[in-house]
Amino acid sequence: DAGITQSPRYKITETGRQVTLMCHQTWSHSYMFWYRQDLGHGLRLIYYSAAADITDKGEVPDGYVVSRSKTENFPLTLESATRSQTSVYFCASSESTGGSYGYTFGSGTRLTVV
Amino acid sequence: GQNIDQPTEMTATEGAIVQINCTYQTSGFNGLFWYQQHAGEAPTFLSYNVLDGLEEKGRFSSFLSRSKGYSYLLLKELQMKDSASYLCSGPGNTPLVFGKGTRLSVIA
Repeated sequence: DAGITQSPRYKITETGRQVTLMCHQTWSHSYMFWYRQDLGHGLRLIYYSAAADITDKGEVPDGYVVSRSKTENFPLTLESATRSQTSVYFCASSESTGGSYGYTFGSGTRLTVV
Repeated sequence: GQNIDQPTEMTATEGAIVQINCTYQTSGFNGLFWYQQHAGEAPTFLSYNVLDGLEEKGRFSSFLSRSKGYSYLLLKELQMKDSASYLCSGPGNTPLVFGKGTRLSVIA
């Protein structure tokens, strides 16, 4: 199916474990983004990528690692999960960093770290 | 830096008109976006303004004043399904920054 998909939709993990959130898009969009959304903070950018093998930090990158070996995939890894990383994570894609159509978001992953 | 401000919550009556304001401070303006987000769902694109003035799209309109760093989203003929958060975002040519969102409750 065309679009942007995230997996898993829900994840519970323990403190200290490594966890990877997946994001896949079928449009061949150049740009992909990871945001987290928390009450009181809104959407905050974690990392973004302008193309395969090009990534850059956003506002809140600490504790996260990304890679982009293929244009369509942009996984986000929490190297050692902490309770403060409990959040809803949204992946998004776009033809550019702005553009008249903005970003298209995946359905999100709700992550709970216990 | 980029700082986007919008009210936290608003309540309006079904059938009425509501205006959600957004102010921003930035350089390198490259467009101002509005997104709608229903509870438990992803944000979805509503509108984009890059020039001053009003853009109308059905029941929804968005206004921009670049000189004032100000935008608003106007929702007409409110319906219960319009109960959602509305996110103002932009406005630079770096990755989009989002306001914290305005939670709109539509009551009967």
